[in-house]
Amino acid sequence: SQKIEQNSEALNIQEGKTATLTCNYTNYSPAYLQWYRQDPGRGPVFLLLIRENEKEKRKERLKVTFDTTLKQSLFHITASQPADSATYLCAGSGGATNKLIFGTGTLLAVQP
Amino acid sequence: GAGVSQSPSNKVTEKGKDVELRCDPISGHTALYWYRQSLGQGLEFLIYFQGNSAPDKSGLPSDRFSAERTGGSVSTLTIQRTQQEDSAVYLCASSLGRATPNYGYTFGSGTRLTVV
Repeated sequence: SQKIEQNSEALNIQEGKTATLTCNYTNYSPAYLQWYRQDPGRGPVFLLLIRENEKEKRKERLKVTFDTTLKQSLFHITASQPADSATYLCAGSGGATNKLIFGTGTLLAVQP
Repeated sequence: GAGVSQSPSNKVTEKGKDVELRCDPISGHTALYWYRQSLGQGLEFLIYFQGNSAPDKSGLPSDRFSAERTGGSVSTLTIQRTQQEDSAVYLCASSLGRATPNYGYTFGSGTRLTVV
């Protein structure tokens, strides 16, 4: 079945460093990938979308890559801040209905 | 409205009772999605609406689950004869209908359902 996989272990980094989160997909080829941020008790918030024909997309301190050969997307937060601490979800498009298939998310903790 | 509104925010119900969860999407968003999120799990797709029709119901876990959307706006997810395994956060999202370079889904804050 179509699957999006993210590292379930929490990522702990020091303030000011670059956080890198990984997303792998199996058993299909999504036309695009999206990244969301989720805080406790809240719904996910859309951050970035990258299409399969794009190698890289940037938005302020965020950068996303899409490698169709490795079937992988990397999500980078540069100059990380404690306020960036949250769970980050990767999602891939799921075909004609445009539904998204979500990974389980990676918890990022930025230490001051 | 300015965002996706879901009600109630919390619902505790007894096993065997029926529950209705409501979603009010962003005005003008033609696509509406229901997901559920169990503790420590990813978002599980339930159903997709385009306008009032549901072209993809593949995620509904059993025939106890149903959903409708009226007027291309408000949607209601109904769970009949609730079971303890139905306990989860039910999230609704809306979008313009196709992914565009700058927009994804807009999610509500969810309804936390607890079946006791």
